[in-house]
Amino acid sequence: EVQLLESGGGLVQPGGSLTLSCAASGFTFSNYAMTWVRQAPGKGLEWVSGISGGGGYTHYADSVKGRLTISRDNSRNMVYLQLNSLRAEDTAIYYCAKADRRAVGADYFDYWGQGTLVTVSS
Amino acid sequence: EIVMTQSPATLSVSPGERATLSCKASQSVNSNLAWYQQKPGQAPRLLISGAYTRATGIPARFSGSGSGPEFTLTISSLQSEDVAIYYCQQYNNWPGTFGQGTKVEIK
Repeated sequence: EVQLLESGGGLVQPGGSLTLSCAASGFTFSNYAMTWVRQAPGKGLEWVSGISGGGGYTHYADSVKGRLTISRDNSRNMVYLQLNSLRAEDTAIYYCAKADRRAVGADYFDYWGQGTLVTVSS
Repeated sequence: EIVMTQSPATLSVSPGERATLSCKASQSVNSNLAWYQQKPGQAPRLLISGAYTRATGIPARFSGSGSGPEFTLTISSLQSEDVAIYYCQQYNNWPGTFGQGTKVEIK
């Protein structure tokens, strides 16, 4: 059974930093690209960042480019999202999701975690 | 960036009746279209990929159709457990973009 479990969310002040983690199990982790999708309170879904199965290729939404860094550790079946220079508009539930292929690009996501809430407020 | 527009914003349907949700892309996305279901307080769940291929474990009452710029998700006989927001997503062009969602309610 595929499982994705996010952690690391919380309350952070504007300009602060946070690192989110996602623990994956139930599939051959290195064979699949992974992504982060966020959802602001009461709003829709926004793709944020993706990383290829091998970790060599990454993509970012324009809205977060330069402030977020995605990475993965295939030896631990973990994917991470480092968030820097946080703004109020970054407040959202951040979901970790599995793509259906190894390469990162425009993908659909066949499994999702339950999400972790990031709140940016003073 | 391809813009995905869903209609209606809210759909009220009686139990057992058909629900029809629409999704339109600002340009052709071929058949690279997915549908997700998000129940209150839960993560999204993949329903359909490739415009019409149901994901594992998805009941047959959910069906997808369409290609190019216009797509439809049909729930043939609405059940109470189908109350949710439904999102379409194109993955033909990077970045994959989502529609704003259609909320399905029980009438």
